[in-house]
Amino acid sequence: DTEVTQTPKHLVMGMTNKKSLKCEQHMGHRAMYWYKQKAKKPPELMFVYSYEKLSINESVPSRFSPECPNSSLLNLHLHALQPEDSALYLCASSQGRKRAAKGRTFGSGTRLTVV
Amino acid sequence: AQKITQTQPGMFVQEKEAVTLDCTYDTSDQSYGLFWYKQPSSGEMIFLIYQGSYDEQNATEGRYSLNFQKARKSANLVISASQLGDSAMYFCAMREEMNYGGSQGNLIFGKGTKLSVKP
Repeated sequence: DTEVTQTPKHLVMGMTNKKSLKCEQHMGHRAMYWYKQKAKKPPELMFVYSYEKLSINESVPSRFSPECPNSSLLNLHLHALQPEDSALYLCASSQGRKRAAKGRTFGSGTRLTVV
Repeated sequence: AQKITQTQPGMFVQEKEAVTLDCTYDTSDQSYGLFWYKQPSSGEMIFLIYQGSYDEQNATEGRYSLNFQKARKSANLVISASQLGDSAMYFCAMREEMNYGGSQGNLIFGKGTKLSVKP
């Protein structure tokens, strides 16, 4: 079982819908990440939260809105998405130390389809 | 700018044989970390092995070993005794060592190698 839990595993939404992706970890990690992965491509970083504060936004469109309610939870709110936003959305967490050997722990992802 | 290159889009290996997945990197940093991740069709990115730029010995984790050649800027993954469950996409990644206010530096991924293990 993965130590980073993402829900739902699959999501189909219309372009006018509002939905949220959820991510939870209980490893005491203080950094959490959202990645977007298109088919047959590597993951692309979207957002980084460090100590519950947004530290990096990789020029992501405003139709994606992240939220970190506490150190264990990370949400990604979706609104007015486009079909090209269909992808696998991965959440990850990590220790805050620069050289932590394990790097970051990823969840299983949410497969999002926008119709 | 940092860059990771995986030149093998796909690889085949016979079950129980060893296989090497290639990875080269480019960076001007002296301190960096190199990772290999496995991604099965289920989607989860599974951490396999880590090599720090100052580590003198090659990293090993069970059937996985990392052949680190710093001067050549290569970090190849060797999987010994391949199993059917090893069939997956494999990503090489490099971590920048900048510290973004408490988080780790960004992971830069290669394009991946799809490994298929034949029975």
